[in-house]
Amino acid sequence: ETGVTQSPTHLIKTRGQQVTLRCSSQSGHNTVSWYQQALGQGPQFIFQYYREEENGRGNFPPRFSGLQFPNYSSELNVNALELDDSALYLCASSPGDRGRNEQYFGPGTRLTVT
Amino acid sequence: DAKTTQPTSMDCAEGRAANLPCNHSTISGNEYVYWYRQIHSQGPQYIIHGLKNNETNEMASLIITEDRKSSTLILPHATLRDTAVYYCIVRVVTGNQFYFGTGTSLTVIP
Repeated sequence: ETGVTQSPTHLIKTRGQQVTLRCSSQSGHNTVSWYQQALGQGPQFIFQYYREEENGRGNFPPRFSGLQFPNYSSELNVNALELDDSALYLCASSPGDRGRNEQYFGPGTRLTVT
Repeated sequence: DAKTTQPTSMDCAEGRAANLPCNHSTISGNEYVYWYRQIHSQGPQYIIHGLKNNETNEMASLIITEDRKSSTLILPHATLRDTAVYYCIVRVVTGNQFYFGTGTSLTVIP
């Protein structure tokens, strides 16, 4: 157990819909990173938030957006869902300066787009 | 960040040491080697990381070659619960993300 929680556990959406995924970071961690993991692949970095500001972004389109709140919890929003967005979405929190330390992952949210 | 190369899969007998190799021949002086593992459909779990020196913690040992172009993760007494995909990652100390490859699928056999 890392102390990082994510909700919901599983989600089914239809193509074109919008989805919001939530993450609560481990106590004392001010940095949250989001990853997408397609079946059979390693996690791919989406973006990172440090003290409520975006601190780096991977190769994902603008319809992937996020927020970090004053308590350091975070949301990942995906608009105009596509079939290829079906994946395990992982949130990771880390202490210290802009996530330069090891990251602790939550259990993930399994998103299925039909 | 430097790229890593790992074998696709490995087997290890229960109770024996599991030695997982990783090549990172383009590693730079300011890049750390991290190891994570992922048990089926769970979030990746941090194992260990190092820069130059060998490291040991309660889970594993990390052996980094003198030229830092390769490393080995050692699980001293593998158990069935160690069956997982193991990722070797090289990360710039100032970087904010981890680049995961496809990792090594380790199967511990009874």
